[in-house]
Amino acid sequence: EIVMTQSPATLSVSPGERATLSCRASQSVSSSLAWYQQKPGQAPRLLIYGASTRATGIPARFSGSGSGTEFTLTISSLQSEDFAVYYCQQHNNWPPRWTFGQGTKVEIK
Amino acid sequence: EVQLVQSGAEVKKPGESLKISCKGSGYSFTNYWIGWVRQMPGKGLEWMGIIYPGDSDTRYSPSFQGQVTISADKSISTTYLQWSSLKASDTAMYYCARRSSGSYLSEYYLDYWGQGTLVTVSS
Repeated sequence: EIVMTQSPATLSVSPGERATLSCRASQSVSSSLAWYQQKPGQAPRLLIYGASTRATGIPARFSGSGSGTEFTLTISSLQSEDFAVYYCQQHNNWPPRWTFGQGTKVEIK
Repeated sequence: EVQLVQSGAEVKKPGESLKISCKGSGYSFTNYWIGWVRQMPGKGLEWMGIIYPGDSDTRYSPSFQGQVTISADKSISTTYLQWSSLKASDTAMYYCARRSSGSYLSEYYLDYWGQGTLVTVSS
């Protein structure tokens, strides 16, 4: 099983500041990496796919980078609505043995 | 508009059976895989399995193989997740999600999600 490790577990950021979230895979997943945002009481929402492509309707302040085993989600200037938990997910296999990271909570500093 | 609408919250006793549903609309239901994801209270997301409603081809995570059954009824654009004998440890929120179209592994992300079904198992 490919293990996805996210860091940090919690990130305290002030509105308007930049947030950088990391996701590491235990083996290469190429660019088959997605990021999801989950707010309390809501379902996850797709933010980034293919490691760096924003999903439809996602603001440009969200960007993804990386390939292989190291990935980054950057939120350039945090807005109040961005405080949430963020998950990475690898989908680099079929039949699917997809795995998620444990999540990074972005909270207000 | 693509929508996945899940059935309502359930409260069950250990040993009981349960079937929850996920109805798709706004797209060609039979042409997209639908997956299920578990989220235990206060925890992260866990991949359970996926079904192709067009022919009911189903794949399970090894962690959930034999523990749940995923099925579909394409005539009513609905997929199901069922348990034959619930345990307290099945208490969780369950989400269905659509796998995006595409032929390459890099395109196999989950693009639309249902609102979730909360399952509580308690004596």
